[in-house]
Amino acid sequence: ETGVTQTPRHLVMGMTNKKSLKCEQHLGHNAMYWYKQSAKKPLELMFVYNFKEQTENNSVPSRFSPECPNSSHLFLHLHTLQPEDSALYLCASSLNRVSGNTIYFGEGSWLTVV
Amino acid sequence: GDSVTQMEGPVTLSEEAFLTINCTYTATGYPSLFWYVQYPGEGLQLLLKATKADDKGSNKGFEATYRKETTSFHLEKGSVQVSDSAVYFCALSDGGGGADGLTFGKGTHLIIQP
Repeated sequence: ETGVTQTPRHLVMGMTNKKSLKCEQHLGHNAMYWYKQSAKKPLELMFVYNFKEQTENNSVPSRFSPECPNSSHLFLHLHTLQPEDSALYLCASSLNRVSGNTIYFGEGSWLTVV
Repeated sequence: GDSVTQMEGPVTLSEEAFLTINCTYTATGYPSLFWYVQYPGEGLQLLLKATKADDKGSNKGFEATYRKETTSFHLEKGSVQVSDSAVYFCALSDGGGGADGLTFGKGTHLIIQP
């Protein structure tokens, strides 16, 4: 138990569906992150939020839309995805954005796009 | 840009063998270095970290020393167990311009046989 909880753990969606992934952290952290983990590729940082403000968007397609309503919650809204978007999506948090701070990960949401 | 290079896997060892997983990095600033471990079906967990040159991180019998002169952070363990079977990720957080998340290597799949 890392203090970062992701739901759902598994999601299967069609290419025309709209769904959302949810992340909640109970650590009092101010920075939250979305990563994508695909087979045989390094983890890709997708989005970064610091004090609820988005500070990073690493050229992520607009079919992925993040939302951070408060420092404890982070969502990833999914719309008209492609099969190549199938992956493990990891949420993470850290106290703040300072180098050296430990980043804590959730267990991930396995997404399959059919 | 920043990058992390890890030895390709899978690495298969017998129980009680000595383990080394190589990791080298390139970074523009003075990064902090991390090893994360991912057990089957789980998210990433911090294994150990080092925040400046010559620091040694250690945890659960694993060690890694931050070598600035060789830009390396190799992971070692003297006697591995079956329960160490997992994927190990080397990562860096670059302090040069603030740290937005981590840059990861591709991961090394470790298999320990009884």
